[in-house]
Amino acid sequence: AQKVTQAQTEISVVEKEDVTLDCVYETRDTTYYLFWYKQPPSGELVFLIRRNSFDEQNEISGRYSWNFQKSTSSFNFTITASQVVDSAVYFCALSEANFGNEKLTFGTGTRLTIIP
Amino acid sequence: ETGVTQSPTHLIKTRGQQVTLRCSSQSGHNTVSWYQQALGQGPQFIFQYYREEENGRGNFPPRFSGLQFPNYSSELNVNALELDDSALYLCASSYRDGTYGYTFGSGTRLTVV
Repeated sequence: AQKVTQAQTEISVVEKEDVTLDCVYETRDTTYYLFWYKQPPSGELVFLIRRNSFDEQNEISGRYSWNFQKSTSSFNFTITASQVVDSAVYFCALSEANFGNEKLTFGTGTRLTIIP
Repeated sequence: ETGVTQSPTHLIKTRGQQVTLRCSSQSGHNTVSWYQQALGQGPQFIFQYYREEENGRGNFPPRFSGLQFPNYSSELNVNALELDDSALYLCASSYRDGTYGYTFGSGTRLTVV
């Protein structure tokens, strides 16, 4: 069975500080996908990144960066120089890479509050 | 291109009633998945539809059912509503070509009283 753990329920930081959101996952699959989504108060899940299990390169997109470590089954997300607009709930998710079984297994989310 | 749209945005139902939620998929997407998100929790997979057939189901009872139409839009039906069915119901569409990009709608907030 797949499982995603986001141990940080809530985080508050002052604007312009860096913040890292942790994600640990469990799966018996050798091939899988990892995701991060942002959920603002409006409710929709906004896609941030998808990472294939074979690609362990870290990725940077503007102020966002992701650290994938297969050895520790972690896929952490860092926001650099945080802004108030980054306030939201962030979800880490996992899916199998088998055609026909593409459900997403989500963690419980981390509520991030950026204090002006 | 249009994104995923869901209707209605909010709904209040009485325990025991039935409800139908609707989802229009993003242009070019042929697969629709439904998720239930209880307050303070992560979304839970209900089921997925591809080519108008159910293709994968989560741990939800049969009173949760769905449909996908030829234009790839979808409905989620819940019979015999229970108080625990109160949640945000999210629809996600994707294209079934082996890649896994999911576009989510803003959801329907269902309250069962």
